[in-house]
Amino acid sequence: DVKVTQSSRYLVKRTGEKVFLECVQDMDHENMFWYRQDPGLGLRLIYFSYDVKMKEKGDIPEGYSVSREKKERFSLILESASTNQTSMYLCASRSGGSNQPQHFGDGTRLSIL
Amino acid sequence: GENVEQHPSTLSVQEGDSAVIKCTYSDSASNYFPWYKQELGKGPQLIIDIRSNVGEKKDQRIAVTLNKTAKHFSLHITETQPEDSAVYFCAGHDSNYQLIWGAGTKLIIKP
Repeated sequence: DVKVTQSSRYLVKRTGEKVFLECVQDMDHENMFWYRQDPGLGLRLIYFSYDVKMKEKGDIPEGYSVSREKKERFSLILESASTNQTSMYLCASRSGGSNQPQHFGDGTRLSIL
Repeated sequence: GENVEQHPSTLSVQEGDSAVIKCTYSDSASNYFPWYKQELGKGPQLIIDIRSNVGEKKDQRIAVTLNKTAKHFSLHITETQPEDSAVYFCAGHDSNYQLIWGAGTKLIIKP
């Protein structure tokens, strides 16, 4: 069965810290995504990757960066965390084209104090 | 760019009744419309999708309809059950073939 694992369910960090959110998939999928989910705003795409070492900006990349050194792992980095980055972060993976299903992890609820 | 609007934001129905959630999209080139269900504490999961070459698709108690002329599509759930309680998201494609998501509908099934 498809499995996307996010390293933390809950995370509390302080303003200005560098924060790493990790995501691992076991399905050999080429495509991986990072979203943030906020009430009333749906899911907004931060970054995505089509292959190892490849990354593309989504709709809201400001304040974030990503790393994909291995096919199964996609990391989201908050370079200097701010309170407006408090949110639920969802990682997803997908095989094939854009009309194939995305498989999501259970999310990381990040609080920046 | 593509914009997807979803309503209602909250829907409460009696168990056994039907529920309908509606979405509209702006980009006439959009041709793929998935629906995802997010249960409490979980990530979203695809439940049904429709492509622009069909007008309706059914899978047991759920169905999706698409009206390309009006640029709207809807999710229909019949004979609702407690396990249908969740947040539902619709989505469409943007010009880069990335999903643009609706804001979500919280469906509450009353016993």
